[in-house]
Amino acid sequence: DAKTTQPNSMESNEEEPVHLPCNHSTISGTDYIHWYRQLPSQGPEYVIHGLTSNVNNRMASLAIAEDRKSSTLILHRATLRDAAVYYCILRDVEDNQGGKLIFGQGTELSVKP
Amino acid sequence: DAGVIQSPRHEVTEMGQEVTLRCKPISGHNSLFWYRQTMMRGLELLIYFNNNVPIDDSGMPEDRFSAKMPNASFSTLKIQPSEPRDSAVYFCASSSGTGPMETQYFGPGTRLLVL
Repeated sequence: DAKTTQPNSMESNEEEPVHLPCNHSTISGTDYIHWYRQLPSQGPEYVIHGLTSNVNNRMASLAIAEDRKSSTLILHRATLRDAAVYYCILRDVEDNQGGKLIFGQGTELSVKP
Repeated sequence: DAGVIQSPRHEVTEMGQEVTLRCKPISGHNSLFWYRQTMMRGLELLIYFNNNVPIDDSGMPEDRFSAKMPNASFSTLKIQPSEPRDSAVYFCASSSGTGPMETQYFGPGTRLLVL
């Protein structure tokens, strides 16, 4: 399985943009890039996913490098509620593993008022 | 939609006792996943079902763990006998498929403490 590398922790100020990086240098051409986050004392929740093009939704944006070896999750205006552990996960369209998620350590984001 | 429902939310038991965790997936979802989260190992998949059939149980730690899905709206994860090292948060998740673009929806988890 292709692996991802994320910083252990990051800090942000409230109402400022946050860029959460993820390196996946061994990504294959059929790997989708997914982001989930886990708020304190809750289960993980889906944030966004993409394959090659940048993606936007109401929660965040996903910027994917042209060579796809890295990606960045962008929170445009961090709020205190965005404090969570953010996981970058690769999922292979040709993987017969049934869609299971393989979580790494993630990035713990703290947001200061 | 009520989301994925798990019960109990908290469980404290003594070593050697049987523990049963329950999960109700989102209606219409045909895939169900059991994960465990500990400080040491992070989040790891234990087992998943597709259309009520267990597909991959390679993550189940040992024979003390068993999981069933008797119908599309209910699953159990049983630990018998329980041990202190089983203390963790157990999450159930469901999705409407198993493809790489399918979103998994997680329940709130069951926090298990085995004394």
